Amino acid sequence: SQELEQSPQSLIVQEGKNLTINCTSSKTLYGLYWYKQKYGEGLIFLMMLQKGGEEKSHEKITAKLDEKKQQSSLHITASQPSHAGTYLCGADSGRGNRKLIWGLGTSLAVNP
Amino acid sequence: EPEVTQTPSHQVTQMGQEVILRCVPISNHLYFYWYRQILGQKVEFLVSFYNNEISEKSEIFDDQFSVERPDGSNFTLKIRSTKLEDSAMYFCASSEGAASGTQYFGPGTRLLVL
Repeated sequence: SQELEQSPQSLIVQEGKNLTINCTSSKTLYGLYWYKQKYGEGLIFLMMLQKGGEEKSHEKITAKLDEKKQQSSLHITASQPSHAGTYLCGADSGRGNRKLIWGLGTSLAVNP
Repeated sequence: EPEVTQTPSHQVTQMGQEVILRCVPISNHLYFYWYRQILGQKVEFLVSFYNNEISEKSEIFDDQFSVERPDGSNFTLKIRSTKLEDSAMYFCASSEGAASGTQYFGPGTRLLVL
């Protein structure tokens, strides 16, 4: 079965610094999703990537899917305290499959 | 902006009791899901629902669990005879349809079984 591994597990950065979170799949990714979770809240959709080499940006967050479609990275530029939370990657478990499998998450703290 | 809502936000129950977790998906969405997250563990898929029937379920989703869409707006997860290990955050999600549609999640219900 497919597994998603995220790294690092946790991250503490100073406000204004850049950071990168990685998500590696044991199998080819058909769809890769990034979500943000704040304590006590739901999963907030950030971005979806499907094509090898695809890159998407929203405000200061950029997500990329590698050409082989087995790894994705999430990059935050000039981090702010509002970026703090847990970032989760999720993937379609098969072509056209509606079941998402998940990484364990990366907990991000941003110190002002 | 349309959002998925869930009630209650927190539920405490005694072992062996039945609980019903409620969700209101986004109105024009056709696919509905339940996931759970045990503290410190990965989010786990429980069940997906489309066209008034279960389209897929995980091995976790045994006879203890059931889902229902009792009317045009609500989507419920019933857990019969709750066990201590059912304690988790339960998330409802919905998607518009077709393959690889983005799933939008509710805020979750935190269930504690004592």
